[in-house]
Amino acid sequence: AQKITQTQPGMFVQEKEAVTLDCTYDTSDPSYGLFWYKQPSSGEMIFLIYQGSYDQQNATEGRYSLNFQKARKSANLVISASQLGDSAMYFCAMRPFAGNKLTFGGGTRVLVKP
Amino acid sequence: NAGVTQTPKFQVLKTGQSMTLQCAQDMNHEYMSWYRQDPGMGLRLIHYSVGAGITDQGEVPNGYNVSRSTTEDFPLRLLSAAPSQTSVYFCASSPFGENTEAFFGQGTRLTVV
Repeated sequence: AQKITQTQPGMFVQEKEAVTLDCTYDTSDPSYGLFWYKQPSSGEMIFLIYQGSYDQQNATEGRYSLNFQKARKSANLVISASQLGDSAMYFCAMRPFAGNKLTFGGGTRVLVKP
Repeated sequence: NAGVTQTPKFQVLKTGQSMTLQCAQDMNHEYMSWYRQDPGMGLRLIHYSVGAGITDQGEVPNGYNVSRSTTEDFPLRLLSAAPSQTSVYFCASSPFGENTEAFFGQGTRLTVV
């Protein structure tokens, strides 16, 4: 069984500052992928970034980067230079390579202040 | 490009009524799934399918049925709606592969009174 834990239910960040969203996971699968999704107030789920368990380098996509620490089973999302449009709910998720079933964390709500 | 299309977007049901949430994807993805989203609990997997004719239960399957007669469609049926099924429902699809993300529909907000 897989489990994703996001310990920060909500947080404020000042515009133009960086913010780190925590995600820890637990799995017995030897190979897996980690994902982050953004859910704005409009409700849709937007894929942000992916990290494979065998990837040696941390993933980056524009202002998003994933701080992957495999030994600690953490996959924190870093958003640099926050913008007002970054205000949303953020979900960490994982799935084993052998299968497509995604397991989600409870989410972190981010509010960017001007 | 349509992607994953869910209908309806909003629905109010009375306790005991049945209904079907529709989900269609035009990306020829093998894998499709249904999630429900409740406050503070993230998304939980209801049912999933790895291809036409194959379905299986997820984490919270009770009270829901699914079928997959074609690659494109994956409807979710509520047999006898209960207030506990008030939630936002998401359909998702993805191709098989290690680094493939799931594509989500816009969601259906269901209220059971």
